[in-house]
Amino acid sequence: AQSVTQPDIHITVSEGASLELRCNYSYGATPYLFWYVQSPGQGLQLLLKYFSGDTLVQGIKGFEAEFKRSQSSFNLRKPSVHWSDAAEYFCAVATGNRDDKIIFGKGTRLHILP
Amino acid sequence: EPEVTQTPSHQVTQMGQEVILRCVPISNHLYFYWYRQILGQKVEFLVSFYNNEISEKSEIFDDQFSVERPDGSNFTLKIRSTKLEDSAMYFCASSTTGAEAFFGQGTRLTVV
Repeated sequence: AQSVTQPDIHITVSEGASLELRCNYSYGATPYLFWYVQSPGQGLQLLLKYFSGDTLVQGIKGFEAEFKRSQSSFNLRKPSVHWSDAAEYFCAVATGNRDDKIIFGKGTRLHILP
Repeated sequence: EPEVTQTPSHQVTQMGQEVILRCVPISNHLYFYWYRQILGQKVEFLVSFYNNEISEKSEIFDDQFSVERPDGSNFTLKIRSTKLEDSAMYFCASSTTGAEAFFGQGTRLTVV
């Protein structure tokens, strides 16, 4: 079965600094990969997804992620964070098979220093 | 843009009571899901539903839970006898193919 590991529970960066959130997955074939963001008490917003093709994917709010098969990773990056980026970020994986579920990582809470 | 709609946004219920959480999936979607997120924890899969039957359920989805698509538009999650530990955010999701699910904004269930 597929699984996701987000090794960092909390990350703190200064406003304007670059950001990288780590995500590793476990799945035998090429997975479908997602990053979601959740503000406190809010729902899940899809930032970006990777299904196939170009391994560098662009998302909303200036985020990007790179799929690296050799490292089983799908790290999320942003060149310059804004205070409004403070939130919980979830990496998720699916097999892409019909009706298959999405499996979420435990999340990384991003804190922004002014 | 089409979206998944969940009602109510917040529900408070007494322990032992039955609750029904409602969802209106995106209209042309065929696959439906419920997920749960206990406060401060990760989002966990509960159940998937396709062609009017459960496709898969997690170990969390025990006999107190049930799902139903009572008409062509709604998808419901029923919890028969709520426990304190059922307090969580419940997310509904739907998909055309299963490759990408669209999530609703969630229903926060508080059991007191």
